[in-house]
Amino acid sequence: GQNIDQPTEMTATEGAIVQINCTYQTSGFNGLFWYQQHAGEAPTFLSYNVLDGLEEKGRFSSFLSRSKGYSYLLLKELQMKDSASYLCASLNDYKLSFGAGTTVTVRA
Amino acid sequence: EADIYQTPRYLVIGTGKKITLECSQTMGHDKMYWYQQDPGMELHLIHYSYGVNSTEKGDLSSESTVSRIRTEHFPLTLESARPSHTSQYLCASSESLVNTEAFFGQGTRLTVV
Repeated sequence: GQNIDQPTEMTATEGAIVQINCTYQTSGFNGLFWYQQHAGEAPTFLSYNVLDGLEEKGRFSSFLSRSKGYSYLLLKELQMKDSASYLCASLNDYKLSFGAGTTVTVRA
Repeated sequence: EADIYQTPRYLVIGTGKKITLECSQTMGHDKMYWYQQDPGMELHLIHYSYGVNSTEKGDLSSESTVSRIRTEHFPLTLESARPSHTSQYLCASSESLVNTEAFFGQGTRLTVV
């Protein structure tokens, strides 16, 4: 794989903010994606970063630092429906590889 | 709404059978992928394609083969299924090589008994 590392699990309270970190290999890097996957379902696209900086899309934001091989996904105003697995995916040499995913549990 | 379809959704077959998992997309995407995912585990890239007549092996060694004779079709074949092949297989496609999202099909849950 592409040695994509992200935490296994995170738990947060409804209305709170959670940040999911991801590190990836920088060789042949073409872009960094975040996907959401609910149990038993296919992944769905959340965000894409190829340049350094923060991309904001509603309650979700994603950040990239190319020099550090680092990204994070920020989930704000958490809702119960946000309980899911969040997958960091790196495009290297035009091949898309996924991390193991971070299971986020939102509690009332 | 993504237009990428996988059939069958569920399949239970006996050991030694030959099977083909179908994946079709109507978006004209050049790039297509096959991933294998066990329940609660990560997605492993097993095959991908840049376009017609292009196929590449992914990160996870797989006994399956793929073909890409038409842009819209990217079938995956197991010549002789074994219980170790039991898993979920997800097909995805994307418009270009870099800055577009990959759309996923609903997956095929394969059980080999």
